Amino acid sequence: QSALTQPASVSGSPGQSITISCTGSSSDVGGYNYVSWYQQHPGKAPKLMIYDVSNRPSGVSNRFSGSKSGNTASLTISGLQAEDEADYYCSSYTSSNTYVFGTGTKVTVL
Amino acid sequence: QVQLVQSGAEVKKPGASVKVSCKASGYTFSSHYMHWVRQAPGQGLEWMGIINPSSGNTNYAQKFQGTVTMTRDTSTSTVYMELGSLRSEDTAVYYCARRSAITRNFDHWGQGTLVTVSS
Repeated sequence: QSALTQPASVSGSPGQSITISCTGSSSDVGGYNYVSWYQQHPGKAPKLMIYDVSNRPSGVSNRFSGSKSGNTASLTISGLQAEDEADYYCSSYTSSNTYVFGTGTKVTVL
Repeated sequence: QVQLVQSGAEVKKPGASVKVSCKASGYTFSSHYMHWVRQAPGQGLEWMGIINPSSGNTNYAQKFQGTVTMTRDTSTSTVYMELGSLRSEDTAVYYCARRSAITRNFDHWGQGTLVTVSS
């Protein structure tokens, strides 16, 4: 199972919006609404930010939103803040009853 | 509150095995599957497998079949991940991560366990 494809880096100024893409196939992202997104700060464990494509867990800012079209899912961060600077990973359930992560995206707040 | 507390860092020689534990608290242990995920230094996340704490049934990523074994002890609410035939490429932080009861994600994570493989 190959990793889902994400851009290596995305940057934006404070207050701007950025979008991170996550491209898979019909066997994972396109086939199920089980796409989730994780934020990871250096030296820390990942944190769930979005699940089931577009749902936010309790406590996660509404500046984070998710969507999906075909085999590509997206995470949008609006009103970018310094604390959003981190690595972000998508993940999907697959037709093999396994899970796959994306390659990861480093978000830089300029 | 949900807590997943993992065992401490390990240093192993090539060819050896390592067993990492993950003790769960703050919820009904048998109600949530548990994943294992690893992250090599400077690299991304890699899914290793999942265990059903209720039945003990497991499903491993193809890459790790034959080298990984996931088990659980319901009396102590602890899951274990044992990786054998260690190579330098297995140097990584290993995380346990709980699966949501109602959907397929990783809703709570352990703090991670660094396993270093070096001769």
